[in-house]
Amino acid sequence: DTGVSQDPRHKITKRGQNVTFRCDPISEHNRLYWYRQTLGQGPEFLTYFQNEAQLEKSRLLSDRFSAERPKGSFSTLEIQRTEQGDSAMYLCASSPSGGGSGNTIYFGEGSWLTVV
Amino acid sequence: AQSVTQLGSHVSVSEGALVLLRCNYSSSVPPYLFWYVQYPNQGLQLLLKYTTGATLVKGINGFEAEFKKSETSFHLTKPSAHMSDAAEYFCAVSDRRPGAGSYQLTFGKGTKLSVIP
Repeated sequence: DTGVSQDPRHKITKRGQNVTFRCDPISEHNRLYWYRQTLGQGPEFLTYFQNEAQLEKSRLLSDRFSAERPKGSFSTLEIQRTEQGDSAMYLCASSPSGGGSGNTIYFGEGSWLTVV
Repeated sequence: AQSVTQLGSHVSVSEGALVLLRCNYSSSVPPYLFWYVQYPNQGLQLLLKYTTGATLVKGINGFEAEFKKSETSFHLTKPSAHMSDAAEYFCAVSDRRPGAGSYQLTFGKGTKLSVIP
């Protein structure tokens, strides 16, 4: 059983640079989510895909952030012109369809971003 | 809008003692309820969830939680703490009503559990 994979696990970047994170969900899951977690806080929802369609976006997702899931499989989250406030762990998650919002959501191990 | 409150950002128990982590939610309709555990530098793992049916839910690693509608609570318990239970625990909810936002999990701020030998 391969779980949700995220790459890279850690990224240190200079302020103003662009970064991209990749997520490979569990293979039979067609729902994919991105969350952000800062130190001492619970994860916060960023965006949600059903197959390749991006169906929901949080207002936390500023115009510097863009997420894609071009073929309904892996997803990327790009942050342009990074700021120090973007430093956080970015969590990807996936779930099967059917069963509504009570389905179990499976999380990856996260991608840590440090902006210096 | 839904919200989750976890009382106590840090709880310490002795090994073998009862673990009680508190979670209260605010929602006009009882939501789906989840507890996740996070070990250092790792993602989140589901411990248990309540969707419907029996209000006492058993999960992995000996944990259980009881949904109490009248108290809007979903507290997590374990009769006897092990050293390996030391981690951060998050309570989360999702809206069971179909519509925008219903697939989002709303998390509490977490409770860090320390187990003293």
